[in-house]
Amino acid sequence: EVQLVESGGGLVQPGGSLRLSCAASGFTFSSYWMSWVRQAPGKGLEWVAYIKQDGSEKYYVDSVKGRFTISRDNAKNSLYLQMNSLRAEDTAVYYCARVGWWELLYVAFDIWGQGTMVTVSS
Amino acid sequence: SSELTQDPAVSVALGQTVRITCQGDSLRSCYASWYQQKPGQAPVLVIYGKNNRPSGIPDRFSGSSSGNTASLTITGAQGEDEADYYCKSRDRSGNHLVFGGGSKLTVL
Repeated sequence: EVQLVESGGGLVQPGGSLRLSCAASGFTFSSYWMSWVRQAPGKGLEWVAYIKQDGSEKYYVDSVKGRFTISRDNAKNSLYLQMNSLRAEDTAVYYCARVGWWELLYVAFDIWGQGTMVTVSS
Repeated sequence: SSELTQDPAVSVALGQTVRITCQGDSLRSCYASWYQQKPGQAPVLVIYGKNNRPSGIPDRFSGSSSGNTASLTITGAQGEDEADYYCKSRDRSGNHLVFGGGSKLTVL
């Protein structure tokens, strides 16, 4: 079964750090771009970052650039999101997603994890 | 603010056809993908590319595009289609992605 399972969420104080993990199974992880998407409570979806198959290309939404780092370990079939200098506005459910189609004219996320909650509060 | 604009709320009578739209300059050169999200669940891809459905998505879901507007059409809406729908596309830079604000579909 194709599956993504996130972990690492929790409560952290403003200015703190957290590392999210996403364990992939049921497919050849190293063949796919991967992404993180977040959703603040009661709000819409926001793309956060994505990373190429070999980690050579990474892109971030402006609001997290310089604070968050996406990475992957293909040997462990795992995706990560290191989050530093966390702010209250980073509070959200964070989803790991597989980029099923990476084309010039579109990018589509075909597999999603169940999400992990990150709460930034004092 | 999002570079992709969706109507926040859309409604349809059971069994009728509904179109959910998404507007943005990037859609003149890129296709949108569409995601369905039910309360407490992760999003599910329903349409991608010109008009492609992943396996398992009913054929009552279809996509189209014209100018700066992408549309998701549900022909013969069912009660289980009640959900939030999000469009997504590349942004004007091409390397970043952006979601629309979402449309809450109510099936009456």
